[in-house]
Amino acid sequence: DQQVKQNSPSLSVQEGRISILNCDYTNSMFDYFLWYKKYPAEGPTFLISISSIKDKNEDGRFTVFLNKSAKHLSLHIVPSQPGDSAVYFCAASELDDKIIFGKGTRLHILP
Amino acid sequence: KAGVTQTPRYLIKTRGQQVTLSCSPISGHRSVSWYQQTPGQGLQFLFEYFSETQRNKGNFPGRFSGRQFSNSRSEMNVSTLELGDSALYLCASSLRRSGSGYTFGSGTRLTVV
Repeated sequence: DQQVKQNSPSLSVQEGRISILNCDYTNSMFDYFLWYKKYPAEGPTFLISISSIKDKNEDGRFTVFLNKSAKHLSLHIVPSQPGDSAVYFCAASELDDKIIFGKGTRLHILP
Repeated sequence: KAGVTQTPRYLIKTRGQQVTLSCSPISGHRSVSWYQQTPGQGLQFLFEYFSETQRNKGNFPGRFSGRQFSNSRSEMNVSTLELGDSALYLCASSLRRSGSGYTFGSGTRLTVV
């Protein structure tokens, strides 16, 4: 039973354009959502997070949007840069409980 | 400050053997969580320790176990290894239970042959 779903295994975006990574969840009790980025041979690194009381959080080129009614969140990267090529994991947690990760989306930024 | 250190980085074991992986968290971090990453399955939660107590456990068989020492260092053990246990095992530490405070190590790549 997958509580956090990333339905796109991969995504290719032209450099300079917007990258949009999507994530759906099933547990309505999740109250904290996160995005992590992972390069090969390295551990995931924290990118951005959002609490369930907000619908948007922005940090530089990265913005996360949360739609609680649809149980959907998305990560927008604009403009996309070559160094953004990595695997992105969506994650969620419920009231200070363990963090559940999705399967990841591999983002390719094309020159 | 030093990051999360996982040893060894790579390991090859034979089916039926057992293995112990080590994780040294960031100094001062008391929470350590373990995840298994396999192709197509993402990061699957194994267990979490805080102040030497297991606070949470994922849906893995009893062959997977762990512990945390008084200095917050953690070990996980897998007994009777199976081919399907081949994966990247990641450890993450944090001051408290907070996703944004999670710092991951580079992982231990376990191959079971």
